[in-house]
Amino acid sequence: DQQVKQNSPSLSVQEGRISILNCDYTNSMFDYFLWYKKYPAEGPTFLISISSIKDKNEDGRFTVFLNKSAKHLSLHIVPSQPGDSAVYFCAASGTWESTLTFGKGTMLLVSP
Amino acid sequence: NAGVTQTPKFQVLKTGQSMTLQCAQDMNHEYMSWYRQDPGMGLRLIHYSVGAGITDQGEVPNGYNVSRSTTEDFPLRLLSAAPSQTSVYFCASTPPPGAYEQYFGPGTRLTVT
Repeated sequence: DQQVKQNSPSLSVQEGRISILNCDYTNSMFDYFLWYKKYPAEGPTFLISISSIKDKNEDGRFTVFLNKSAKHLSLHIVPSQPGDSAVYFCAASGTWESTLTFGKGTMLLVSP
Repeated sequence: NAGVTQTPKFQVLKTGQSMTLQCAQDMNHEYMSWYRQDPGMGLRLIHYSVGAGITDQGEVPNGYNVSRSTTEDFPLRLLSAAPSQTSVYFCASTPPPGAYEQYFGPGTRLTVT
């Protein structure tokens, strides 16, 4: 029973265009959401997060949108760069929980 | 700060052997976790700890033991390695009160033959 779903295993985008990575969740107790980026042979690194009291959070080229009614969030990368090529994991947690639940990841390939 | 360190980076075991994966952090974080990453499966939680002396099971705990005698260290023990435990293992830490923004180590790639 997957509580966090990333239904697209991979995504290819041209440099300079927008990348949109999607994530759905089923657990209504989740109220904090995070995106992690992972390069091969490295550990995941935190990218951006959003609390359920917001519907948008922006950090430079990265914006996360949250639609609570649809239990859906998305990560927008504008403009996409070749260095953004990595696996992106969506993760979620509930208030005062001590663990994260991760999706299966989406591999983003940005071509020059 | 070194952050979260893991040793070894690579390990090959034969079925039935035991070993300990080491994890240490120098950020004085209370919370630490172990995950495994398998192709197409994402990151799955094995065990976690909310402080020294306190551990709990995650999603896939079978075949693994943990202990937390200090804030800094959180070793993961494989009792009797099986081919199904071939995976990449990540340790992570985070300050309380929640699990947000976990800091991950570089991982240990384990192969069990």
